[in-house]
Amino acid sequence: GAGVSQSPRYKVAKRGQDVALRCDPISGHVSLFWYQQALGQGPEFLTYFQNEAQLDKSGLPSDRFFAERPEGSVSTLKIQRTQQEDSAVYLCASSGLEKGTDTQYFGPGTRLTVL
Amino acid sequence: AQKITQTQPGMFVQEKEAVTLDCTYDTSDPSYGLFWYKQPSSGEMIFLIYQGSYDQQNATEGRYSLNFQKARKSANLVISASQLGDSAMYFCAMREWTDKLIFGTGTRLQVFP
Repeated sequence: GAGVSQSPRYKVAKRGQDVALRCDPISGHVSLFWYQQALGQGPEFLTYFQNEAQLDKSGLPSDRFFAERPEGSVSTLKIQRTQQEDSAVYLCASSGLEKGTDTQYFGPGTRLTVL
Repeated sequence: AQKITQTQPGMFVQEKEAVTLDCTYDTSDPSYGLFWYKQPSSGEMIFLIYQGSYDQQNATEGRYSLNFQKARKSANLVISASQLGDSAMYFCAMREWTDKLIFGTGTRLQVFP
C-alpha cells in the first residue's frame, strides 16, 4: 500500500470521551496535514507538520485538539473531552516534491461521530 | 471574502458528454497553486489536476483539463467524455505561501446514461 492510511475509519464516542486518530503518510513524504470536513462542506485546515515540527496549528478549533508527529512519519490527532460539534470526517494528507508541485495526497479519512 | 468559490452546487451531464465545473479564486499572492479533487461517496479525496500560477499552458491529465484564466481568477475543470464513474463531489482548492489548501464548497456531479 503506497497511499496514505488512516485508522480507525469510523469512531463513535460519547460526549466527553477522548479520541485518538492515526495517520500513516506516504513513505518519504516530509509534509503532513490534517483537515476537518463537516457534512456537506469542503475540508478545512487544522494543522501542518514538516517532519516532526508542527509549523502551523492555526486551524485547530480549540485547545481540546492536539496533534503530534514525534518521529516525522506517523501522526496522531487527539481530541480531548469530545463535543457533538466535533462530529466530522478528519482527513490526513501528505506531500513530497514529486513533479515539484507539492501535491497533497489524502487518506480515506476517519468519520467521528460524537453522541 | 471567500477565497475559493464554486457556484454550482450540482451539475448533471449525460454519459460521453463534456462538462465544465466552475471555480473562481481570490488571492493577492503572486505565487499560488490550484488543485481539483474528486470525492466519491466512499469519502476519499482523489487528486485530479494541478495548475501553477506561473504555468503558461493549461494543465491536462487524461480526460481532465483545467481552463485557467488568470486575469479573471478562474480555474474551471473540464471533464471530457463523461463516464458513470465520474459521479462524485468535486472540490477546487488553492494553495498560497502557507502550504495549506483552502477548499471551495464543492460541486456534486451526476452522470446519467
